[in-house]
Amino acid sequence: GAGVSQTPSNKVTEKGKYVELRCDPISGHTALYWYRQSLGQGPEFLIYFQGTGAADDSGLPNDRFFAVRPEGSVSTLKIQRTERGDSAVYLCASSPAGRGEQFFGPGTRLTVL
Amino acid sequence: DAKTTQPNSMESNEEEPVHLPCNHSTISGTDYIHWYRQLPSQGPEYVIHGLTSNVNNRMASLAIAEDRKSSTLILHRATLRDAAVYYCIPPGYSTLTFGKGTMLLVSP
Repeated sequence: GAGVSQTPSNKVTEKGKYVELRCDPISGHTALYWYRQSLGQGPEFLIYFQGTGAADDSGLPNDRFFAVRPEGSVSTLKIQRTERGDSAVYLCASSPAGRGEQFFGPGTRLTVL
Repeated sequence: DAKTTQPNSMESNEEEPVHLPCNHSTISGTDYIHWYRQLPSQGPEYVIHGLTSNVNNRMASLAIAEDRKSSTLILHRATLRDAAVYYCIPPGYSTLTFGKGTMLLVSP
């Protein structure tokens, strides 16, 4: 079956612009996670959804970052007033419940010029 | 919070066994240890997890020390496709905490 998909695969933007990154989880998975991975580092947790609600958003670095999952399926990560330090690969994962194996997408590579 | 320690990198030859160590001396008695790996330009993928006894699946084996302060991921016959960064994940409720992992280099 289809895995987790993320669009776009690459996004180049200018400093100060607004970007949206999309994640389509595996059908039926209630839990969805966003991570960010900088070059040479392991993924860093950003936010976790259980259904439509954010169960844990403690990893969001500041209020420029926001994520939604209005129907409990697709999620969008939104970044306002992008900064060069936001450049990273943004990874999305889903799981059937709030624990257990997480299935990752290929990521969106964001470059802020 | 529980933390893990792994070597930065390891090397292996194709078709040889590989033992990837992880120290997790601070975990509690009911916490599972998970391993994920990340192939180049891909998202992480689950490898295996365990609690106390040794675990096997089609990808690898996990040997957990009797005192649970360390574990070893075992790839029985490394292939070129196993070249990846391997992460030993400390226990958490729902989210995964990745360190830098061990980069495994496999030579033909």
